[in-house]
Amino acid sequence: AQKVTQAQTEISVVEKEDVTLDCVYETRDTTYYLFWYKQPPSGELVFLIRRNSFDEQNEISGRYSWNFQKSTSSFNFTITASQVVDSAVYFCALSEAPGANSKLTFGKGITLSVRP
Amino acid sequence: DTEVTQTPKHLVMGMTNKKSLKCEQHMGHRAMYWYKQKAKKPPELMFVYSYEKLSINESVPSRFSPECPNSSLLNLHLHALQPEDSALYLCASSQEGHLSYEQYFGPGTRLTVT
Repeated sequence: AQKVTQAQTEISVVEKEDVTLDCVYETRDTTYYLFWYKQPPSGELVFLIRRNSFDEQNEISGRYSWNFQKSTSSFNFTITASQVVDSAVYFCALSEAPGANSKLTFGKGITLSVRP
Repeated sequence: DTEVTQTPKHLVMGMTNKKSLKCEQHMGHRAMYWYKQKAKKPPELMFVYSYEKLSINESVPSRFSPECPNSSLLNLHLHALQPEDSALYLCASSQEGHLSYEQYFGPGTRLTVT
C-alpha cells in the first residue's frame, strides 16, 4: 500500500525567510509519480510539480525548489525568500504507475503561514 | 485565470432537495474528476471520467450521481444528502485518465446540507 507522510502540520515564518516542507512516501512500485499542490484560502488546488521515479534531478522554479531523494523516499519542497502570498496549505501526493488499481494518495497537508 | 470553472460557488440545500454541481474545463483534457474535501483534510477522490466514461467510482453513496455529457462538462447530481455531506466539492481535469497525470482544479463548490 502506498503512503504519504507530511509530518509538519503547521509552519509559521516571517516574510523573506526560507522554509522547507517535508514529504516522505512509501510505495512498493518502482514506477511512481510525486506531486506538490498548493491550496490557498480561496480553496482551489494549484498544481506545482510532478516528478516520476526515474528522474531524481532537482528542480528549481523561481523561488520554489524541490529535492527528490529516492534513498530516503523524500520529496521536499523549499520556498526561498517567502512571501505573504505563499500562505496556503501544501499537499504532497503519490501515484503509482497507471493500472487497474492505480491510486492517488495525498498527504495530510502542511499549513504554511507567512507573516509580514 | 482558472481554466476549470465550477458553479455554483456556494450551495445550501435541505436533505430532501435535489441539486446539481457543474464543472467545465477548457483545456481539451480527456479526463475529469470529482473530489470531496472536508475542512483541514486532503481531498478524497469520488469519481473519475475518462473519455466520457466512468472509470473510477470510489464506493460513493448513490445519493451522489455523476454525469459527463461531453469531455468538457461534468455534473454531480445530489439527492437526499445528509448533513455530513457538507464539504468543499472540487472538480479537476487532466490530459488523460491515469492518476499519474497532473490535475488542474476548479475553485470548488462549498456545499452545506441542512
